[in-house]
Amino acid sequence: DIVMTQSPDSLAVSLGERATINCKSSQSVLYSSNNKNYLTWYQQKPGQPPKLLIYWASTRESGVPDRFSGSGSGTDFTLTISSLQAEDVAVYYCHQHRSIPFTFGPGTKVDIK
Amino acid sequence: QVQLQQSGPGLVKPSQTLSLTCAISGDSVSSDSATWTWIRQSPSRGLEWLGRAYYTSKWYFDYAVSVKGRITLNPDTSENQFPLQLNSVTPEDTAVYYCSRGSSRTGAFDIWGQGTVVTVSS
Repeated sequence: DIVMTQSPDSLAVSLGERATINCKSSQSVLYSSNNKNYLTWYQQKPGQPPKLLIYWASTRESGVPDRFSGSGSGTDFTLTISSLQAEDVAVYYCHQHRSIPFTFGPGTKVDIK
Repeated sequence: QVQLQQSGPGLVKPSQTLSLTCAISGDSVSSDSATWTWIRQSPSRGLEWLGRAYYTSKWYFDYAVSVKGRITLNPDTSENQFPLQLNSVTPEDTAVYYCSRGSSRTGAFDIWGQGTVVTVSS
């Protein structure tokens, strides 16, 4: 199984400041036939299901604010919130769907400082 | 727009069968551009992918080893539903269960059901 790790476990950022979350996979999630990283980021607020933010490591889902961006390839990935807003308080998960069983990271909780 | 509406009991006794339904609107369970997945979430195991089904000329199924042998995914094309059955449950199966649609193009889970809290207890 591909093991997903995230750092930090939690972070507190001032409104308008940058938040950076790291995700690492135990094996590459790059699919060589199409050069896509099968790495997705989700946002989850209390009492709600996860919401898709970014797929293919760096492509924003339709309707997601452009302050959210993803980067990375292979085994190392980053989610950046360029200017934290109050509504961004949530837990963020990375997820790989490169190989079965699909696996998720443990989550990073983002709060306001 | 596409919506997934989950239903099913919130309390199941140990050794019995957990049965949940995911009613699909705005898409078809036999669409060749989607996969249908069950995921659960608990404090001890986090988000855990359980299995998926998808149709491309015939049905394909993939299951997590942790539930293989206990899980049944049986897409209902007549009702356009995606049910989950999990046999021989134990308290370890206590979790919030989600059904989700995966895009065949991106692989991402773009639509989620509202979640069902299931407690396994006598």
